[in-house]
Formats: sequence, structure tokens, C-alpha cells
Amino acid sequence: EAGVAQSPRYKIIEKRQSVAFWCNPISGHATLYWYQQILGQGPKLLIQFQNNGVVDDSQLPKDRFSAERLKGVDSTLKIQPAKLEDSAVYLCASSATNYGYTFGSGTRLTVV
Amino acid sequence: AQSVTQLDSHVSVSEGTPVLLRCNYSSSYSPSLFWYVQHPNKGLQLLLKYTSAATLVKGINGFEAEFKKSETSFHLTKPSAHMSDAAEYFCVVSESTPTSGTYKYIFGTGTRLKVLA
Repeated sequence: EAGVAQSPRYKIIEKRQSVAFWCNPISGHATLYWYQQILGQGPKLLIQFQNNGVVDDSQLPKDRFSAERLKGVDSTLKIQPAKLEDSAVYLCASSATNYGYTFGSGTRLTVV
Repeated sequence: AQSVTQLDSHVSVSEGTPVLLRCNYSSSYSPSLFWYVQHPNKGLQLLLKYTSAATLVKGINGFEAEFKKSETSFHLTKPSAHMSDAAEYFCVVSESTPTSGTYKYIFGTGTRLKVLA
């Protein structure tokens, strides 16, 4: 089966600009997650979707970050405006009903 | 809320010697636990998982971990380190969300393993 697809692979932007990341989960996986991994740290959950509804967004900085999952399939994560501390790898993952994540390769964001 | 604590941020071993990466968990019930590895500029790869079956779990590349409820630990071991084992290792606990019937992974802070020739 195809894996979790993410794009772009890399992105460099200036601070205060906006950026968007895209994720296409494994077909049939109802749950989708976005994680932020800052260099030298473990991934931190930003938002979790079940189909097209939000299950957990408690750690999403809602003043600048937004995410949506239209039709319960693809998802986009947006940052506007970006700050230097947003430099990180943004990981998307999906899962079915039993235990087991499948991670995408991630998008590496550099804010200069 | 559940959590994991990785007790060492860096571990150095010589090639051919044993590896021990320590992880303690906090959970109000029997958790599901995982170890992931991340090589430089690579994605996360599942090494092994514990889901309330056998307490000694065997994973890929010769790694194994033992679930010890009395010690709330899930340490990762390998009898003989190889140069290719140099990477970042993450201990992970799965936390369920009963209202939605879903779960989420909570990652530890990571242990960087260095293998010396």
C-alpha cells in the first residue's frame, strides 16, 4: 500500500511569511495527526483529526497555526505569520482503528 | 495523562558492546509502548511495540525491550552494537481518547546513541 505522502519536502521562508504543508494519509485511515519535531527534541502532537473532525488541538498555537481536513482525507497545516521558533520538521501520520501509526517523511521548515 | 521519560539524552558505546537505552513510563493502566529509531535526516522507523502480550518484546535489527510493570520501565537493549545503530531513539506511549475511540502517541525526548569504532 502507498505510504503517507507529504509535501513539500523542504521549505525556507522569511519570518512573518505564511506557509502551508500538505498531507495525504493512507487510504481508509480515519485518524490523522500532525506533529512538530524541533531539532534535538521528540515529536510533539499539534493536532489530531478523526475523519474531518478535530479530536485534540490542545497544543496547537491557534494564534498562528491552523489545520483542516476537508472530506476526511487530505489535510493541510498552515502557519501565518511564521516565527523563527517554528523552524522544525512537521510530520504527518495516519492510523486505522487498531494500534499502529504510519508516518510520512516530513516537511523540514526553516524560518530565516 | 500518560508520559514517558528517557533517562539519558546521550549514550556512547563501543562497537560490539551491549546497548541499554532507558525509558520509564507513567500510566494509570496497562499501556501500549513503542520504541522508534530515527537516523539523521531520515523518517521515524518502528523498532518494536508492547501491547500487553509477552513482556519481552523482540524487534528489528536485534533490538529487544522488556516491559516491567513493577518498575514502570521499558528499557531497550541490544547485545552487540553496530556502527549502523548510531541514531536517535524515542520511547513512545500510546494514550487513548475514550470519547472518540482513538489514541495518540506521546514521545519521549529522545536518546542519541553514538557507537565508537
